[in-house]
Amino acid sequence: DIQMTQSPSTLSASVGARVTITCRSSESISSHLNWYQQKPGKAPDLLISSASYVASGVPSRFSGGGSGTVFTLTIINLQPEDFAIYYCQQASSVPVTFGGGTKVEIK
Amino acid sequence: EVQLVQSGGEVKQPGESLTISCEGSGNSFTTTWINWVRQLPGKGLEWMGTIRLRDSYTRYSSSFEGHVIISGDRSIGSAYLHWTSLEASDTALYFCARHAGDYVLYSSYDSWGQGTLVTVSS
Repeated sequence: DIQMTQSPSTLSASVGARVTITCRSSESISSHLNWYQQKPGKAPDLLISSASYVASGVPSRFSGGGSGTVFTLTIINLQPEDFAIYYCQQASSVPVTFGGGTKVEIK
Repeated sequence: EVQLVQSGGEVKQPGESLTISCEGSGNSFTTTWINWVRQLPGKGLEWMGTIRLRDSYTRYSSSFEGHVIISGDRSIGSAYLHWTSLEASDTALYFCARHAGDYVLYSSYDSWGQGTLVTVSS
């Protein structure tokens, strides 16, 4: 199975800050990497597909990058509604696997 | 836009059987896959398996194969997750999530159900 490792596991930041979350895969997954946001008690929402394509309706302050084994999710001008848990997901091979999550907290 | 609605929460005893459902509405389900994702209390997301609705082709994670059965009904755009014998360790929130396309891989999950909480306790 492909292992997905996210860092950091927790991130404290202020409103208006720029934050970057890193996701590393145990083997190359090309650009088959997606990012999701999950708020407490809710289902995850798709943010970024294929490493860098912002999903419909997602604010432009979210962006994704990377390929191969290292990927990033960047949020600029952090807003109160962005405080949540973020997961990366590889869709390159079965089983599909998720990173452990990064909790973005208010500083 | 596809919307997924899951069945309500369940409280069961160990050894009991259970089927939870995920019903879709909206666009055509010809190229729709429904995935099942488990979230243990306070933990992350785990992919359990998937079903292609047009022909009920399934793939499972080895971690779940043999313990759950995924099935579907193309005519109503629904998918099901079934346990024949629940264990306390099955206590979790279960999500269904859709992806479109011809392959089990390479796509993102653009619609999610609201989640079904399954509690297994004696």
